Amino acid sequence: DIQMTQSPSSLSASVGDRVTITCQASQDISNYLNWYQQKPGKAPKLLIYDASNLETGVPSRFSGSGSGTDFTFTISSLQPEDIATYYCQQYDNLGDTFGQGTKLEIK
Amino acid sequence: EVQLVESGGGLVQPGRSLRLSCAASGFTFDDYAMHWVRQAPGKGLEWVSGISWNSGSIGYADSVKGRFTISRDNAKNSLYLQMNSLRAEDTALYYCAKDMNPTLPEGAVAGTLVYWGQGTLVTVSS
Repeated sequence: DIQMTQSPSSLSASVGDRVTITCQASQDISNYLNWYQQKPGKAPKLLIYDASNLETGVPSRFSGSGSGTDFTFTISSLQPEDIATYYCQQYDNLGDTFGQGTKLEIK
Repeated sequence: EVQLVESGGGLVQPGRSLRLSCAASGFTFDDYAMHWVRQAPGKGLEWVSGISWNSGSIGYADSVKGRFTISRDNAKNSLYLQMNSLRAEDTALYYCAKDMNPTLPEGAVAGTLVYWGQGTLVTVSS
């Protein structure tokens, strides 16, 4: 089974900062990785699919990269409305489907 | 507009059963795979189960295999989750989610979850 390691678990940054979250799979998952945003009290929202594809309607400050075992999610310029918890999700095989989450706060 | 509305949650004693429903609208239901994902209070997301467009492929997380059964009724645009032998650790908000694709990935695991409902809360406690 696949294990997903997402880091950091929490992050504090200032408006305008570049923010990076990483997700590592325990085995090669090709590009079968998605990124979701969950705001407090709300359902998750798909931001990035297949590692690097921006979902329709998602602002271009969000991006994803990587393949194989190492993946990166980036917010190029943090906005106040980006306060949320972010999750990676693999769909290659059984095991950990979602990463543990990264709670993003404004400094 | 895509809408997914879950129902059927509530307080249930350990060992008992509960059936969740998800009513879908705003898209052609039988064109897409569907999933259940849960979130325990204050915790992260856990994929529970998925079903392909024609029910030909079904997958479960190890934590619920043998206890939960996913099904769908395309004529009623509805997704279901029959939960038996419930445990305290099944306490969570259960989300219904629409896949980007009609089939499950190889390995019958979670796909790409494009739309999510608002969830229905299941509490397992005596």
